[in-house]
Amino acid sequence: DAGVIQSPRHEVTEMGQEVTLRCKPISGHDYLFWYRQTMMRGLELLIYFNNNVPIDDSGMPEDRFSAKMPNASFSTLKIQPSEPRDSAVYFCASSWKGPTIETQYFGPGTRLLVL
Amino acid sequence: KQEVTQIPAALSVPEGENLVLNCSFTDSAIYNLQWFRQDPGKGLTSLLLIQSSQREQTSGRLNASLDKSSGRSTLYIAASQPGDSATYLCAVLVNTGKLIFGQGTTLQVKP
Repeated sequence: DAGVIQSPRHEVTEMGQEVTLRCKPISGHDYLFWYRQTMMRGLELLIYFNNNVPIDDSGMPEDRFSAKMPNASFSTLKIQPSEPRDSAVYFCASSWKGPTIETQYFGPGTRLLVL
Repeated sequence: KQEVTQIPAALSVPEGENLVLNCSFTDSAIYNLQWFRQDPGKGLTSLLLIQSSQREQTSGRLNASLDKSSGRSTLYIAASQPGDSATYLCAVLVNTGKLIFGQGTTLQVKP
């Protein structure tokens, strides 16, 4: 398996523009997570899905952020409008919950810079 | 509210040394604890996962321990190598399905 795939790897945009980040989880994994990493706040969970259904979105910073998972192999995280303080690395991760709770597999991240 | 703290924030050692990274958490109600490695500009790679009923896990030169009652975990790296240089993150899985991460320890192993 190719692992968790994220695109784009880097994104530079201007304040006010819409940004869409994409993620393809590992095939067969039924959990998908979106994280944000900054120097100030470290790694924070934004939202996670189970079987394509959002379970906990309490980490989503505000209404400008939205996430969807239309099917088991694709998810998006959208920021509209973007602001400079959204600059961060955004990670997607996936996992499978079997008899024991397994680890999460992380994608390479999308480095976002909002000017 | 669960909080995870890692000490030290940064560590520099000469090659060959044995070292210990520390992680503490405030709420003992966890499902598991994991140690991750993050290389610059890269994602996270899981190193060791300790279920809440376990006391330790080993993988090669790495050994992680878990003491739920005291809210502590340690990652022991034996015979460190320059290739071990990275940021090491500790995370606990809580009953909401969330992984709560520490801020990480950045390790530099000098040749």
